[in-house]
Amino acid sequence: DTAVSQTPKYLVTQMGNDKSIKCEQNLGHDTMYWYKQDSKKFLKIMFSYNNKELIINETVPNRFSPKSPDKAHLNLHINSLELGDSAVYFCASSQLRTDTQYFGPGTRLTVL
Amino acid sequence: DQQVKQNSPSLSVQEGRISILNCDYTNSMFDYFLWYKKYPAEGPTFLISISSIKDKNEDGRFTVFLNKSAKHLSLHIVPSQPGDSAVYFCENKLVFGAGTILRVKS
Repeated sequence: DTAVSQTPKYLVTQMGNDKSIKCEQNLGHDTMYWYKQDSKKFLKIMFSYNNKELIINETVPNRFSPKSPDKAHLNLHINSLELGDSAVYFCASSQLRTDTQYFGPGTRLTVL
Repeated sequence: DQQVKQNSPSLSVQEGRISILNCDYTNSMFDYFLWYKKYPAEGPTFLISISSIKDKNEDGRFTVFLNKSAKHLSLHIVPSQPGDSAVYFCENKLVFGAGTILRVKS
């Protein structure tokens, strides 16, 4: 069974569109994260949720809105997509905030 | 703010030899450092960690050393195997280094 899954794996879309990426973890973890890996391969934290509550919100445009319907899911919705949003987005989870993180396979988003 | 730096973008090592990957940090507080390994088209996977109350942690072929006075940690892989070829990230408090690409030649 996949511990942390993301869908879709690839997403190609036009500028200005709205898209969502879904993430689910079956590890029973309390904390979930979204990371962005840009073209220079830096992994940067975007958001973190603990038991469905937002606990970290880095400097990310308002066009990005995470939603956690329950503690096993953390979805990322992006409005008005821009070229600079093209990246690989990773979801992760951990039991504690400073604990080992388990990552999903990533979603490669390409904005044309 | 915590910064985590991996100054070597890549490292090439012969199979069977030792690989040493380095990481520097800025925050001096009690901490917990982790190393992740990443293959292409996959998410990072946890490799090994070390608490700042220790100087060394070993797990099989992987050993992490922590030098608190120098704010430096290093990951040693010995012997290196072709399957170790991947990108290695160090992490502290959700801040990742830029990664080091390790290539192990057979």
